[in-house]
Amino acid sequence: AQSVTQLGSHVSVSEGALVLLRCNYSSSVPPYLFWYVQYPNQGLQLLLKYTSAATLVKGINGFEAEFKKSETSFHLTKPSAHMRDAAEYFCALGGAHGSGYSTLTFGKGTMLLVSP
Amino acid sequence: DGGITQSPKYLFRKEGQNVTLSCEQNLNHDAMYWYRQDPGQGLRLIYYSQIVNDFQKGDIAEGYSVSREKKESFPLTVTSAQKNPTAFYLCASSIAPGQGALSTYGYTFGSGTRLTVV
Repeated sequence: AQSVTQLGSHVSVSEGALVLLRCNYSSSVPPYLFWYVQYPNQGLQLLLKYTSAATLVKGINGFEAEFKKSETSFHLTKPSAHMRDAAEYFCALGGAHGSGYSTLTFGKGTMLLVSP
Repeated sequence: DGGITQSPKYLFRKEGQNVTLSCEQNLNHDAMYWYRQDPGQGLRLIYYSQIVNDFQKGDIAEGYSVSREKKESFPLTVTSAQKNPTAFYLCASSIAPGQGALSTYGYTFGSGTRLTVV
């Protein structure tokens, strides 16, 4: 069965500091992976996705993620945090559900807190 | 602009009552999904539908029901059999069934409905 693990339910950084949000996955087939962001009481917005074209993926708002097959990881980074980056971030893995259709499996989320 | 509309944004119901959450999309997407979100639990799949008049159970379908009579609409009913219905419910869609479309486009999400049962 496929799964997604996000290390750290909360990450705190200072404004201007590096952001690193960790995601590890388990999949028996080549994975396709996503990062989504959620602001309070809103839906999820796609940040970036990995679909095997390139291991370093650039997304919106200055975020990027690197796919490392040997480490089964897809960590999200941003060189310099901004106050507006404070939100919850979800890593998601695409694959076949039990019925055979494809769905996304989400991690439990990491809340990013940014202090002035 | 195209998108997914979930209504209402906030919903209060008494324990033991059934309640239906609306999800409408004008993106012409074939596949639609319902997820439940609880603090610290991430998103868990309730039901999904790849085409009209067909749907599949997700990981936590007990106590929920859905219908897909129109391509644009995928309402979710939370029944009295659901033990802990208070949660944030998210509807999503993808352009077409299958891994190809999902891997390329991912999901588009609605803004959610927060259901509180008292």
